[in-house]
Amino acid sequence: ILNVEQSPQSLHVQEGDSTNFTCSFPSSNFYALHWYRWETAKSPEALFVMTLNGDEKKKGRISATLNTKEGYSYLYIKGSQPEDSATYLCAFGPSNTGKLIFGQGTTLQVKP
Amino acid sequence: GAGVSQSPRYKVAKRGQDVALRCDPISGHVSLFWYQQALGQGPEFLTYFQNEAQLDKSGLPSDRFFAERPEGSVSTLKIQRTQQEDSAVYLCASSLKRRGETQYFGPGTRLLVL
Repeated sequence: ILNVEQSPQSLHVQEGDSTNFTCSFPSSNFYALHWYRWETAKSPEALFVMTLNGDEKKKGRISATLNTKEGYSYLYIKGSQPEDSATYLCAFGPSNTGKLIFGQGTTLQVKP
Repeated sequence: GAGVSQSPRYKVAKRGQDVALRCDPISGHVSLFWYQQALGQGPEFLTYFQNEAQLDKSGLPSDRFFAERPEGSVSTLKIQRTQQEDSAVYLCASSLKRRGETQYFGPGTRLLVL
């Protein structure tokens, strides 16, 4: 059974705080690791797709790292803003299939 | 450009009723995926199409669930004789080609079975 775990489950921070979340995934049969941001009543928005061990990606104040050997990825948000409030999902893409296996998400609430 | 659209956005069904959920993928996208998200969980894979071919339906929870994509574009997920445990958000995603690429999601259909 392929399992993807995210921590923490939820997080409350003050505006301006930096924060990070963890995604753990199987280290075997790896093809890609995806991060999505999902705001209430909207479509999940793709943030990053990472495929190579050691990959680091950045989009504005958000960045992500990937370690495929040990099976984890970190998502960092620098200087959180209220508009960053959302659920952040990571998804593991196995090498033998197109489907994604999602973690349960980390819900971030940024207080002004 | 237009993203993935899904209809209806909300559906309330009585237990035992049949429902049909529609997905319009991004034009030209070859792959189409359906996921089910129960409350407090991450999305779970249901089925996958490449053009009109259903290549993987291993995630469909029972034979009451049926999906089709007859012309390789619009897809319909049908649930027969709905049960309360079918209450969930049903997400559709499309990607240009196959595995490893970004999957673009629609806003989902929230199904409530009473």
